[in-house]
Amino acid sequence: RKEVEQDPGPFNVPEGATVAFNCTYSNSASQSFFWYRQDCRKEPKLLMSVYSSGNEDGRFTAQLNRASQYISLLIRDSKLSDSATYLCVVTPFPDKLIFGTGTRLQVFP
Amino acid sequence: GAVVSQHPSWVICKSGTSVKIECRSLDFQATTMFWYRQFPKQSLMLMATSNEGSKATYEQGVEKDKFLINHASLTLSTLTVTSAHPEDSSFYICSARTTPEQYFGPGTRLTVT
Repeated sequence: RKEVEQDPGPFNVPEGATVAFNCTYSNSASQSFFWYRQDCRKEPKLLMSVYSSGNEDGRFTAQLNRASQYISLLIRDSKLSDSATYLCVVTPFPDKLIFGTGTRLQVFP
Repeated sequence: GAVVSQHPSWVICKSGTSVKIECRSLDFQATTMFWYRQFPKQSLMLMATSNEGSKATYEQGVEKDKFLINHASLTLSTLTVTSAHPEDSSFYICSARTTPEQYFGPGTRLTVT
């Protein structure tokens, strides 16, 4: 079983749509959780951290369910510029980032 | 945010040659840097953790004699791919930690012919 699993997609959605991505992780001792965004042939960039209480940043909402070892990302009112691969990242040990394979999002006009 | 640079951004080399990739933290000091590799349509995989002034720590399955890491200063870590082969062709990305997060370099695309 992979340490971090994501649906690879692609998710093709129209502008303005709401889309949700899911991620599961295997190491129950994991301490920190993140969503990164990676554009084609570029480095990953931190989108947001994920907390048990849930957190929101503009159109983006992240949720963590430790009991189910499940992380989600919700994007509302999708923009063309949201097209990218979204990487779920888990830290089972300090400094060690474990990346999922990513979920590809394509927003069309 | 903090800036991390990598050089070169892309390189093509012949099989059997060695390639050096530099990773620099431009506006902060990083005692710890990380090297990742990403094959097409796969996730980033941590290769090694580079510590300034000491030996790097390699992840399981990564050959330390093939991927030489040197972290000689607080702003520079280098990764040398020795005797490169076509299967080493990949996207190599470094990151540097400054609490509380890691910042990634733009990556180096290596193609071995």
